[in-house]
Amino acid sequence: GQNIDQPTEMTATEGAIVQINCTYQTSGFNGLFWYQQHAGEAPTFLSYNVLDGLEEKGRFSSFLSRSKGYSYLLLKELQMKDSASYLCAVEDSNYQLIWGAGTKLIIKP
Amino acid sequence: IAGITQAPTSQILAAGRRMTLRCTQDMRHNAMYWYRQDLGLGLRLIHYSNTAGTTGKGEVPDGYSVSRANTDDFPLTLASAVPSQTSVYFCASSDSAAGGDEQFFGPGTRLTVL
Repeated sequence: GQNIDQPTEMTATEGAIVQINCTYQTSGFNGLFWYQQHAGEAPTFLSYNVLDGLEEKGRFSSFLSRSKGYSYLLLKELQMKDSASYLCAVEDSNYQLIWGAGTKLIIKP
Repeated sequence: IAGITQAPTSQILAAGRRMTLRCTQDMRHNAMYWYRQDLGLGLRLIHYSNTAGTTGKGEVPDGYSVSRANTDDFPLTLASAVPSQTSVYFCASSDSAAGGDEQFFGPGTRLTVL
């Protein structure tokens, strides 16, 4: 079967750093995406990893280890506007996205 | 139109009724997708289209049908709605279905079937 696991909810403090983990077991792998979704809104693209290693994009970074079936999203200098759900999605052998249930991130002042 | 739009924004529907959710994109993207999002579950793919004139079944296609007569439009039809189809429906598009392409999402349709 195909499975994407993420923590359901995390809490962090404004200005701090938070790491959101994602582990996966899928039929094939063609890349891993992270999306951000604010409550009541559509998901928006954050990052894409297909090779092992760290991809940095401003305050957000995403890491991938294909051998471990593991990725994380690192958010630095947290701001209140970062309060949202973060969705991990793996592109399988058919180039279809398999989505995790998302991690709700709560930022406290 | 800028990006991808969906209509209606929300709808309450009696069980057994037929309903079409509309989706239009102006980015000339080849691939389009319909997902449903339910609390506690990840987005689940209902149907997809890799290019105009072709469609395919996703993870949860039963009770839904789609058509792709042209590049811009990808309507989703519920032939006879049931309460389990209560959900938020997102349409998305990407430049291609080849892999690695970001999917752009519409604002969603919140559907309640009573």
